[in-house]
Amino acid sequence: AQTVTQSQPEMSVQEAETVTLSCTYDTSESDYYLFWYKQPPSRQMILVIRQEAYKQQNATENRFSVNFQKAAKSFSLKISDSQLGDAAMYFCAYRSAGRGRTGANSKLTFGKGITLSVRP
Amino acid sequence: DAGITQSPRHKVTETGTPVTLRCHQTENHRYMYWYRQDPGHGLRLIHYSYGVKDTDKGEVSDGYSVSRSKTEDFLLTLESATSSQTSVYFCAISVFPKSHGYTFGSGTRLTVV
Repeated sequence: AQTVTQSQPEMSVQEAETVTLSCTYDTSESDYYLFWYKQPPSRQMILVIRQEAYKQQNATENRFSVNFQKAAKSFSLKISDSQLGDAAMYFCAYRSAGRGRTGANSKLTFGKGITLSVRP
Repeated sequence: DAGITQSPRHKVTETGTPVTLRCHQTENHRYMYWYRQDPGHGLRLIHYSYGVKDTDKGEVSDGYSVSRSKTEDFLLTLESATSSQTSVYFCAISVFPKSHGYTFGSGTRLTVV
């Protein structure tokens, strides 16, 4: 079974600075997808960025980018120019790319999350 | 975004009572999921469905059952609520393509007293 580890429960960053959130995962598969989700105090789960394992290029979405190291099974999220609205809990998640009628491979496995605070 | 709604948004119930949470989607997605979120545990899968009347267990399924009699509705039932089931419950649907992950409902905060 796949596991996702977020070892830092909390982090803090100064507004306008850059912060990196760490995530590692364990899998025996070669094809999969990785995600970062943001959960603000509203409780809504928001997809921040995704990475397909077969793509070597790191994904970017505006101020958010990832450092995907497939061999090391590492998937960190970098937030540049941090804003007060970035304060939230962030979850790393893994999903197999395999197929199957029952959808067993469609499940998302989450890390425990990290709470990011932004200092004004 | 796919339309997905959960009800109720909040609920307080007594130990030993049955509770049903509802998830409704409007876009005919095949796969639906129930997760629970607890501090220090992240989100853990309770049950999922891959079609009408097709469901399977996740990693924390004890004490829960599900039903899916229509594509659009996925119900989660706590057969006899316990304090350990106090949690935030999320429903999610798998959107296409698979690489795009899930869309989540807004969650239900359930308190068992």
